[in-house]
Amino acid sequence: GAVVSQHPSRVICKSGTSVKIECRSLDFQATTMFWYRQFPKQSLMLMATSNEGSKATYEQGVEKDKFLINHASLTLSTLTVTSAHPEDSSFYICSASIGGGAVGYNEQFFGPGTRLTVL
Amino acid sequence: AQSVAQPEDQVNVAEGNPLTVKCTYSVSGNPYLFWYVQYPNRGLQFLLKYITGDNLVKGSYGFEAEFNKSQTSFHLKKPSALVSDSALYFCAVRDMYSGAGSYQLTFGKGTKLSVIP
Repeated sequence: GAVVSQHPSRVICKSGTSVKIECRSLDFQATTMFWYRQFPKQSLMLMATSNEGSKATYEQGVEKDKFLINHASLTLSTLTVTSAHPEDSSFYICSASIGGGAVGYNEQFFGPGTRLTVL
Repeated sequence: AQSVAQPEDQVNVAEGNPLTVKCTYSVSGNPYLFWYVQYPNRGLQFLLKYITGDNLVKGSYGFEAEFNKSQTSFHLKKPSALVSDSALYFCAVRDMYSGAGSYQLTFGKGTKLSVIP
């Protein structure tokens, strides 16, 4: 159980275009989803936290108008990279937490990641 | 604020030998601690976690970790390393008292483990 999928796994796009990445919790309802960015040989950098039905909370330095996050349902969150540029090329990973229950026992379940390359 | 330190960028160990990947943490309250493994171009896979109870936690693939409150450490260990264990390992922490609905994890920078045949 607790499987998270991401689609696409790999995407190549031209500079100036927009790219949408989907994150789905397959067998549980995710009250909270997280989006991370990972540069080569570096740790995960939290970009934003989203709760179903509300606006995402962005970390400092992350442009909310460039990285649009929508968490429309308890099983789906999307990250749209708008007007992508080569410096947006990275590995994007989402994770989901199961809501309710004992707070603190909720762990994050990670998706397999999406490799974005902007030409 | 919470933080995690993984002091080693890389750990090399011979196959069959015991391995240790180090992690120390800092939180204002009691910690929830996690270890994840990442293979190239893949997402993170959960290995184990410490919430409460026994300080020695056993996880997936024969890994274990020992919570040491006095040393604020949560080192990952395995008695006998396999070549297939070669990957990037991340330690993560969250503060028990970070509040309802706040499940943010803070990750260490990662340690690359190479198991030499």
